[in-house]
Amino acid sequence: DTGVSQDPRHKITKRGQNVTFRCDPISEHNRLYWYRQTLGQGPEFLTYFQNEAQLEKSRLLSDRFSAERPKGSFSTLEIQRTEQGDSAMYLCASSRQGGSYGYTFGSGTRLTVV
Amino acid sequence: AQRVTQPEKLLSVFKGAPVELKCNYSYSGSPELFWYVQYSRQRLQLLLRHISRESIKGFTADLNKGETSFHLKKPFAQEEDSAMYYCALSGSGSRLTFGEGTQLTVNP
Repeated sequence: DTGVSQDPRHKITKRGQNVTFRCDPISEHNRLYWYRQTLGQGPEFLTYFQNEAQLEKSRLLSDRFSAERPKGSFSTLEIQRTEQGDSAMYLCASSRQGGSYGYTFGSGTRLTVV
Repeated sequence: AQRVTQPEKLLSVFKGAPVELKCNYSYSGSPELFWYVQYSRQRLQLLLRHISRESIKGFTADLNKGETSFHLKKPFAQEEDSAMYYCALSGSGSRLTFGEGTQLTVNP
């Protein structure tokens, strides 16, 4: 197991297009998180899953954003009708159940909307 | 609501000098506090957790509930400590709330 993997590393898309990102967590971690980070800011929470159940979504997650974790393993984050304001680094992290262990982060997917 | 404040965006010290990165939090319950570090061109990684009361790479952090602070300290900074440091809080649920980060530069 090489840690949390995210694909793609970079994505450039035209405004209005849909994009999908993938995250493969550490296999024994049952919690998976999505964060967004813009320049000069800390990571902002988007949503998290425990196994396949999506337990919490941030108000930041508009109707254009959807996340899935169909079999409790990998997860996808889709952004529909992208806007320039969606340009950011999208981070995935996983953890064991219970926040005390901290997260293991992936390298992120950098999205640029032109 | 939970909030983390890191008052310094940039911090510069000389090698061998003590360093303290400040973190203040706002949370009505019992929080769990963390420090994360991001070295240049690397992913964000956990540095230490208050619950384990450990010292990692010479860094320590003490949770002060009276002052709602969790400052990160190291008595003698090294050039390899240069990185972005984020303080984070886990309160309700398990999601982490991050501060805006402090860029530490250790000069030779």
